Amino acid sequence: GAVVSQHPSRVICKSGTSVKIECRSLDFQATTMFWYRQFPKQSLMLMATSNEGSKATYEQGVEKDKFLINHASLTLSTLTVTSAHPEDSSFYICSAPRGQGVVKLFFGSGTQLSVL
Amino acid sequence: AQTVTQSQPEMSVQEAETVTLSCTYDTSENNYYLFWYKQPPSRQMILVIRQEAYKQQNATENRFSVNFQKAAKSFSLKISDSQLGDTAMYFCAFMSLDDKIIFGKGTRLHILP
Repeated sequence: GAVVSQHPSRVICKSGTSVKIECRSLDFQATTMFWYRQFPKQSLMLMATSNEGSKATYEQGVEKDKFLINHASLTLSTLTVTSAHPEDSSFYICSAPRGQGVVKLFFGSGTQLSVL
Repeated sequence: AQTVTQSQPEMSVQEAETVTLSCTYDTSENNYYLFWYKQPPSRQMILVIRQEAYKQQNATENRFSVNFQKAAKSFSLKISDSQLGDTAMYFCAFMSLDDKIIFGKGTRLHILP
């Protein structure tokens, strides 16, 4: 079964509204989670690293005020797209590493965001 | 900064044939991990195979194997006896010790009946 749960799987919203996406590690603790964005027929682009108990680390070119990340607990990270616009429409995926030594990276099932 | 390059945007092969997907990367690190991920139309990321940089032996997983050339910074994926279910987007990925993973642009693989 899935070890990383991501919700919602699909969301449609009006321009100007905010949307929250949740990423949960189901049976392990994740002090770090990663958020990716994927445009149609393109690769996954790392947006930011979510750190439990501290501020997220954003990749160059990613607006931290537009994409708010909160790592509220050892099993939950949220990405909030604030004041969404049509250009924010994309597929968002989270991932969480598990294990020590031999690390495995597990991915959520993704969220398709469509901003009208 | 690390980079991952996949030079084949799209490939097609007949069912049951063998296909090799290319990947090169650039890094100044000595310890890292390399992966091949499969993304079917569902868009769920599925791990195909992984390779630790410190291991010289090439990883294999059933019909999937890699040719890891550390000095050349090359990490190709070979799919033997290809099946229709192998049709998907394949991403080569590099992971540094901080668990941050960087993906290549992907190769769209079509297995033809």
